[in-house]
Amino acid sequence: AQKVTQAQTEISVVEKEDVTLDCVYETRDTTYYLFWYKQPPSGELVFLIRRNSFDEQNEISGRYSWNFQKSTSSFNFTITASQVVDSAVYFCALIDTSGTYKYIFGTGTRLKVLA
Amino acid sequence: ETGVTQTPRHLVMGMTNKKSLKCEQHLGHNAMYWYKQSAKKPLELMFVYNFKEQTENNSVPSRFSPECPNSSHLFLHLHTLQPEDSALYLCASSQDLTSGGIKAKNIQYFGAGTRLSVL
Repeated sequence: AQKVTQAQTEISVVEKEDVTLDCVYETRDTTYYLFWYKQPPSGELVFLIRRNSFDEQNEISGRYSWNFQKSTSSFNFTITASQVVDSAVYFCALIDTSGTYKYIFGTGTRLKVLA
Repeated sequence: ETGVTQTPRHLVMGMTNKKSLKCEQHLGHNAMYWYKQSAKKPLELMFVYNFKEQTENNSVPSRFSPECPNSSHLFLHLHTLQPEDSALYLCASSQDLTSGGIKAKNIQYFGAGTRLSVL
């Protein structure tokens, strides 16, 4: 069965600190896609990144970076020099290709960035 | 602005009321979804529509009744709800779910949700 685990329920950091949000997934499929979404207080989930299982290159987008490691089934998300606007709940999700299009979401990590 | 608009943003209803949630997407997508987000629980997929046809009903109680009159609009009709149905209801849309290779790549775009309180 597919599963996504975000063990960190809540993280608090002081502005300008770096922070890493962990995501561990389980799937028996060899082809799958991983996602990160941000949910600010306004409610909508905002798409951040999609990564397929064949591309293990790390990705950087501004202050955001993602570390995908198939060997440990992890897809961790790092925010460098955090800002108050980064405060949100962050969700990791998995889609497998075994005939379903369902997103399997983790329970989310609430990030609080303090000024 | 994500291109997916949900109304109302907040709704308080009694257990005997009937109300409807509305979702509209302006992204040219053909697949739409309803999710339920309860505190400290993973997002729960409720319904999926692809080209106006319901393709998924994730064992949702009949007091929730979806309607998809066209690919741009999705409704969730509510009646005789229970207090445990209080949650954030999120709508999402994506490209149509056709061939298997495309399904898994689809990015879902979400609305801001309707915060529902059942008294």
